[in-house]
Amino acid sequence: GQQLNQSPQSMFIQEGEDVSMNCTSSSIFNTWLWYKQDPGEGPVLLIALYKAGELTSNGRLTAQFGITRKDSFLNISASIPSDVGIYFCAGRRQAGTALIFGKGTTLSVSS
Amino acid sequence: DAGVTQSPTHLIKTRGQHVTLRCSPISGHKSVSWYQQVLGQGPQFIFQYYEKEERGRGNFPDRFSARQFPNYSSELNVNALLLGDSALYLCASSLSFSGETQYFGPGTRLLVL
Repeated sequence: GQQLNQSPQSMFIQEGEDVSMNCTSSSIFNTWLWYKQDPGEGPVLLIALYKAGELTSNGRLTAQFGITRKDSFLNISASIPSDVGIYFCAGRRQAGTALIFGKGTTLSVSS
Repeated sequence: DAGVTQSPTHLIKTRGQHVTLRCSPISGHKSVSWYQQVLGQGPQFIFQYYEKEERGRGNFPDRFSARQFPNYSSELNVNALLLGDSALYLCASSLSFSGETQYFGPGTRLLVL
């Protein structure tokens, strides 16, 4: 099935560091969502973006809807151990169509 | 408020058997979508149901079917199970058909032996 290009695949960082990850597509999307998934659990919604150029924050998390509508970025500032998990981007081309997911970025934080 | 609930949490089946997975959406949500997530991959879309009608279908064989009930809960059925059907099956609910924001349940872990 189709998946978005998400990078990096994995990251190993020290507690307190900032993290950046991104998601790209060859197609235009009208919605971008970022989820976090812990082992054995379902994805939990972190941030939703609906307009090109939109910048939205949720605590230490900030995500942006790329101006070309073909990409999105997620930043985590001052990482803590509980940030560990797999982060997925998901996009939707138009209302009512299926969400398409990236392959995920696995984040490891050492204290 | 309760989130999306799914049952069972885990299931072990053998090849050729049939399985039924269940999902209850968030109260007030009328759309349910099903996804398959194999290890190391992102979720793959299987079905979307809205107001008891199928509104979208992913690239899955006819062995996969689903339905939505008047209370908006949903079932996913898989016939003639294959080893490759082993995965985490996720249900997501959203307020409406456009489904701008989807909220996921904890999933059902299916193992086919």
